[in-house]
Amino acid sequence: SAVISQKPSRDICQRGTSLTIQCQVDSQVTMMFWYRQQPGQSLTLIATANQGSEATYESGFVIDKFPISRPNLTFSTLTVSNMSPEDSSIYLCSVNKGTIDRGAFFGQGTRLTVV
Amino acid sequence: AQTVTQSQPEMSVQEAETVTLSCTYDTSESDYYLFWYKQPPSRQMILVIRQEAYKQQNATENRFSVNFQKAAKSFSLKISDSQLGDAAMYFCAYRRRQGAQKLVFGQGTRLTINP
Repeated sequence: SAVISQKPSRDICQRGTSLTIQCQVDSQVTMMFWYRQQPGQSLTLIATANQGSEATYESGFVIDKFPISRPNLTFSTLTVSNMSPEDSSIYLCSVNKGTIDRGAFFGQGTRLTVV
Repeated sequence: AQTVTQSQPEMSVQEAETVTLSCTYDTSESDYYLFWYKQPPSRQMILVIRQEAYKQQNATENRFSVNFQKAAKSFSLKISDSQLGDAAMYFCAYRRRQGAQKLVFGQGTRLTINP
């Protein structure tokens, strides 16, 4: 298994501000994934972060709104910029570790509320 | 694009009984993985069981088993001897074997266990 530490676990933010979420993995991984889970909804992939290259964003998500950093093989950050109440969600970091069919491991998530 | 559909927003079962959660998916790929994840109120995503598409044998993990029907693109989860700790949101997920490693999730099924 992989140990994934995600910070903060929750936050309440004012609209128009930005929040940076950190994800630390206990070992090196090639790809890290950032998902959003809107209230009562399923998980949707925001972007895939590879070390040493630009993140790959899914349709509907843009770098200006969700900039991602991946400075090394164990760490990544996701910033939610210029927040509005519609950004209130759970944000989850995920990695694939071990053999390809082992499934993904997830951080405990960050519950963001924008007021 | 791949899609995953869970048609049961909510299910309930009596403790110690058996319940089946449904999942269907759509893909043009022939080789892929399917997963069931559990999300309790703690928000932590927990892998329950996985199935490789190239394996005909249905996966089992203790009280959890799947009925994988590749031709019908169906992947249901059976929970036997339900326990109070099984109460959670359950998500069905798909991942390609080759190429992009992201997970595509269904809408989720909220499972309630009645004592």
